[in-house]
Amino acid sequence: DTAVSQTPKYLVTQMGNDKSIKCEQNLGHDTMYWYKQDSKKFLKIMFSYNNKELIINETVPNRFSPKSPDKAHLNLHINSLELGDSAVYFCASSQDFRGFPDTQYFGPGTRLTVL
Amino acid sequence: EDKVVQSPLSLVVHEGDTVTLNCSYEVTNFRSLLWYKQEKKAPTFLFMLTSSGIEKKSGRLSSILDKKELFSILNITATQTGDSAIYLCAVEASSSYKLIFGSGTRLLVRP
Repeated sequence: DTAVSQTPKYLVTQMGNDKSIKCEQNLGHDTMYWYKQDSKKFLKIMFSYNNKELIINETVPNRFSPKSPDKAHLNLHINSLELGDSAVYFCASSQDFRGFPDTQYFGPGTRLTVL
Repeated sequence: EDKVVQSPLSLVVHEGDTVTLNCSYEVTNFRSLLWYKQEKKAPTFLFMLTSSGIEKKSGRLSSILDKKELFSILNITATQTGDSAIYLCAVEASSSYKLIFGSGTRLLVRP
């Protein structure tokens, strides 16, 4: 069974379009994250939600809007896509960010290409 | 500013060699340090370290943390071609509850 899943795995779109990436975890975790991995393989956190509540909101353009309908899902919506948004986006989850130092489990990633 | 620095950036070895990957950090209110292995897609968890001097071991991989000198090492003995990957070090700060990643070490193990 997939623990953290993302859809789609690949996304190719034109500049200016709006797109969404979905993430689901079946681990019963309370905390979920979105990371962006750039071409140099650097992973940077974008957002984190704990039990549907936003707890981390890094400096990302407000074209990026996360939505957590329930604690098992954290979706990422991107408006007015730009070339620089091309990257691999990883979703991750952990038991509870407030608890004992906690392992994050990553999804397979979504490779977004903006043309 | 919190930061994590890994070295070397890349490494090429032959099967059977032993490698040591380094991770140093400057983080306010350190909570834990994690090592991940990234092959084609998602990083997979290797170790989480919270206490100094206690070695964590899994097969041919082992890791240790030095909280005084602010670094960790990841050792891989008797390397195999399947160990070829990017190894990511990440540190969690209790003040922010987020993982700060290093840029990774790209390891290539040749037959």
